[in-house]
Amino acid sequence: DAGVIQSPRHEVTEMGQEVTLRCKPISGHDYLFWYRQTMMRGLELLIYFNNNVPIDDSGMPEDRFSAKMPNASFSTLKIQPSEPRDSAVYFCASSRTGPYGYTFGSGTRLTVV
Amino acid sequence: AQSVAQPEDQVNVAEGNPLTVKCTYSVSGNPYLFWYVQYPNRGLQFLLKYITGDNLVKGSYGFEAEFNKSQTSFHLKKPSALVSDSALYFCAVRDIGYQKVTFGIGTKLQVIP
Repeated sequence: DAGVIQSPRHEVTEMGQEVTLRCKPISGHDYLFWYRQTMMRGLELLIYFNNNVPIDDSGMPEDRFSAKMPNASFSTLKIQPSEPRDSAVYFCASSRTGPYGYTFGSGTRLTVV
Repeated sequence: AQSVAQPEDQVNVAEGNPLTVKCTYSVSGNPYLFWYVQYPNRGLQFLLKYITGDNLVKGSYGFEAEFNKSQTSFHLKKPSALVSDSALYFCAVRDIGYQKVTFGIGTKLQVIP
């Protein structure tokens, strides 16, 4: 299994531009999580899905952020418009129902200038 | 509600010495507990988990953790530290009834040659 795959690994964009981060979870995993990691706030849960349905989006910072999971093998996190304070590493993780941990992707390092 | 506390921002230990990284937790029900490690510019990697049974759990890279229900602790240990163990370590908890995991803020482990 290739693990959780995120793209791109690095993204540099100008303030105001739209940014789309992508994630392919592990096949057979029915949960998908989006996290943001910064030095100041640590690891923050943004949103998570179960069987492609958003369950908890209370961590999404504001309306500029949106996430979708159109099928079991793909999810996107979109920021529109992006701002410098969105600069962070964004992680996707997947898991399956039961006493299991998460498998994390390698992350996308987003820099908004 | 569930929460995790990692009281030490950083732990320094000499190579070859035993190491301990502390974690305490709070859940309303019975816990699943996890330790993850993050190397620079990488995603979080699963180390070990406690589900039920033996209070001493063994994981990857020679790490182990001891579950103590009365003290609500789940400290990570290793008998002999390696320089390559230097990384950021996260403790995490979830209530058995929920899939959402709560992560601690992380403890930076520095192993000194």
